[in-house]
Amino acid sequence: DSGVTQTPKHLITATGQRVTLRCSPRSGDLSVYWYQQSLDQGLQFLIQYYNGEERAKGNILERFSAQQFPDLHSELNLSSLELGDSALYFCASSPRSGRSYNSPLHFGNGTRLTVT
Amino acid sequence: ELKVEQNPLFLSMQEGKNYTIYCNYSTTSDRLYWYRQDPGKSLESLFVLLSNGAVKQEGRLMASLDTKARLSTLHITAAVHDLSATYFCAAATPGFFGNEKLTFGTGTRLTIIP
Repeated sequence: DSGVTQTPKHLITATGQRVTLRCSPRSGDLSVYWYQQSLDQGLQFLIQYYNGEERAKGNILERFSAQQFPDLHSELNLSSLELGDSALYFCASSPRSGRSYNSPLHFGNGTRLTVT
Repeated sequence: ELKVEQNPLFLSMQEGKNYTIYCNYSTTSDRLYWYRQDPGKSLESLFVLLSNGAVKQEGRLMASLDTKARLSTLHITAAVHDLSATYFCAAATPGFFGNEKLTFGTGTRLTIIP
């Protein structure tokens, strides 16, 4: 168990809808990362937050947004969903930036999103 | 833009044999990671390699890093069935503080045949 908690585990929704994925990082970790894993694109970095602030952005669509709250949990919001958004969405966390240089990312179990 | 390539993509090997997975990255990176993923599961960290010539070993797995060649290898010794999984390497974009923007390879799906 990595200590990173993601909910829900599975989500089935229709095209055009909006969903929210939730992530609680490991205790003490300030950084949260979101990744998308699909068969055709592999593992893609979406976005990173550190202590509530956006720190880095990757291949995140404009229909997607994220935030990190004061209690350090994070939410990834996906709107106007398309069939191609079906994927496994992972959250990962790492320690305080100053000590995270040689620390791996610890991944949650993911949320499997199916858009029908 | 940092690109990471792994090969082979698929690997079937017999128990007891040795093999190597290769990970090439396109631009300078100061950190290289190896992860394991079982089907439908999360990613488990295996190794973090920080410097040229770094070598780390855990059980039947050994990872190394050659920053000059921009190459990391994951060597499997005397494979056993439990090692069947998909293995990913990931390189960190230099200049970013912390672990930001890890670029993952395509993964190598390893199947160990009894």
